[in-house]
Amino acid sequence: GAGVSQSPSNKVTEKGKDVELRCDPISGHTALYWYRQSLGQGLEFLIYFQGNSAPDKSGLPSDRFSAERTGGSVSTLTIQRTQQEDSAVYLCASSRTTTGELFFGEGSRLTVL
Amino acid sequence: QKEVEQNSGPLSVPEGAIASLNCTYSDRGSQSFFWYRQYSGKSPELIMSIYSNGDKEDGRFTAQLNKASQYVSLLIRDSQPSDSATYLCAVTTSGTYKYIFGTGTRLKVLA
Repeated sequence: GAGVSQSPSNKVTEKGKDVELRCDPISGHTALYWYRQSLGQGLEFLIYFQGNSAPDKSGLPSDRFSAERTGGSVSTLTIQRTQQEDSAVYLCASSRTTTGELFFGEGSRLTVL
Repeated sequence: QKEVEQNSGPLSVPEGAIASLNCTYSDRGSQSFFWYRQYSGKSPELIMSIYSNGDKEDGRFTAQLNKASQYVSLLIRDSQPSDSATYLCAVTTSGTYKYIFGTGTRLKVLA
């Protein structure tokens, strides 16, 4: 497809389980971002990738969160030992340049029971 | 701390009216400016980008940028109930990778 693709669209998990969220950016977009949005809240920056490297991981809330990007394309965000406060929509976005138009995927809604 | 400020609203306008959404930013080095529309339960959708002072029109939408006063606005002409959403302003600064988002203005277009 032409847009940013995220999977799964919905994930319900039990507290303490690990989850993996996937993002496939727009072809040719070297910059990739992960954000988190809790219900009724603004966008919380998590991590930025330029190519395969992550110059800025400062937004990751704890060491339970990690992310990688391979082949300059697909990225996965992994949350280990999930907690209820991790429940949110996780949004991936990509852009051709770091100051260009940023396009979002549909998001992955995570619910931790 | 680089900030982007928006009135949270809700901004209520009657159908057919012009909706005016405003955003101010603190970093004078900001270079790129964007407006996103976010429907409830959906992800942000890019509707306008503007890079230089002045107006930029796209259909019923006009973005206005004034770098001297550090504000960017979005006008929606002939507002429709389907325009009811939260509108997010975002800015970037040249040489950095960060998109700074405002918290959004909720627009309600009344039929």
